[in-house]
Amino acid sequence: GAGVSQSPSNKVTEKGKDVELRCDPISGHTALYWYRQSLGQGLEFLIYFQGNSAPDKSGLPSDRFSAERTGGSVSTLTIQRTQQEDSAVYLCASSFKPTGEQYFGPGTRLTVT
Amino acid sequence: GENVEQHPSTLSVQEGDSAVIKCTYSDSASNYFPWYKQELGKRPQLIIDIRSNVGEKKDQRIAVTLNKTAKHFSLHITETQPEDSAVYFCAAINSGGSNYKLTFGKGTLLTVNP
Repeated sequence: GAGVSQSPSNKVTEKGKDVELRCDPISGHTALYWYRQSLGQGLEFLIYFQGNSAPDKSGLPSDRFSAERTGGSVSTLTIQRTQQEDSAVYLCASSFKPTGEQYFGPGTRLTVT
Repeated sequence: GENVEQHPSTLSVQEGDSAVIKCTYSDSASNYFPWYKQELGKRPQLIIDIRSNVGEKKDQRIAVTLNKTAKHFSLHITETQPEDSAVYFCAAINSGGSNYKLTFGKGTLLTVNP
């Protein structure tokens, strides 16, 4: 079946602009995660959804970051007033249950100029 | 919250040798420990995992050991091959809690030299 998909694959934006990143999880997966990976760095947890609710938002770097999930499926991560330090690969993952194997999407490479 | 430390950050071995990557965790309630492999330019993929009710798990050339008392777990790769070259991430989570945040180590870049 189809894996996790993300769009766009690449995004170049000017500093100060807003961006929206999209994640389509595997059908039937209730848990969805967003991570950020800077060049050569590890996986920084951003937010986790169980269904449409996000019990843990502690990983969001600032109030410029927000995320939502609708219909227990698609999720969007929005970054307002982007800064250069937001440049990274944003990875989405989904799992059938919160403690199950996480399947990662291909990521969105965000470059803020 | 949970903190996962991973060592070494880089590891270079000759083809056929063994490689060991070690991780420590801080939250004694953590009970699920997956390992992910990320090849250059690709997405992370689960290679093996272990739960706290066992001390060791093996899958062909890959094994993971867990010491709950010391709060550390290790990945062992035997008979390494060039295709094992990648970044490996360990992670920890408390599957019995309500916070399903998977905390990752910073990764180990493994290079297998032919």
